[in-house]
Amino acid sequence: AQSVSQHNHHVILSEAASLELGCNYSYGGTVNLFWYVQYPGQHLQLLLKYFSGDPLVKGIKGFEAEFIKSKFSFNLRKPSVQWSDTAEYFCAVGNTGGFKTIFGAGTRLFVKA
Amino acid sequence: ETGVTQSPTHLIKTRGQQVTLRCSSQSGHNTVSWYQQALGQGPQFIFQYYREEENGRGNFPPRFSGLQFPNYSSELNVNALELDDSALYLCASSLEGTNEQFFGPGTRLTVL
Repeated sequence: AQSVSQHNHHVILSEAASLELGCNYSYGGTVNLFWYVQYPGQHLQLLLKYFSGDPLVKGIKGFEAEFIKSKFSFNLRKPSVQWSDTAEYFCAVGNTGGFKTIFGAGTRLFVKA
Repeated sequence: ETGVTQSPTHLIKTRGQQVTLRCSSQSGHNTVSWYQQALGQGPQFIFQYYREEENGRGNFPPRFSGLQFPNYSSELNVNALELDDSALYLCASSLEGTNEQFFGPGTRLTVL
């Protein structure tokens, strides 16, 4: 069955700490991978995406993610978080045809100032 | 460039009633997907419309139906509402053949 698993439901960090959010997926065929972010009171926004090519992708606001095909993983990283990164982060997987994107349950990140 | 808009923002219905939620896609996007996001969960795929036809469906019963119009606006209809239908309903538009989606703010549906 197609699924996306995010390892942590809640993460609390202090400013300047490094962040890594885990994401593993089960999805047949060639995949497109995404991280979306939802800031408090705002709608879902695309943080970064992987379609093909370099498995290390860079997104907005200093975030990056690495696609490891052998591990079916797409972990999100940021070297130094800021208070403004407090948000909910969703990993998502879709097929290359643009149909049926599957989302993980989300990770709530709280960054202490 | 206009983003994805949804209406209404909030809605309260009672069990057994019917509801219609509306979405206006981002300019130029001909594909729209609808998601249900229950509290504490990620968005769950309901269905996708492309060129006014349903292009695929998730694990939702037939009482969830949709329409897409020539101007790419769309509707989500839910019949015979159940308490578990209480959720945030998200609309996302994209270009044909891609799944880089742009999300609207959602409609919060409460079923009493």
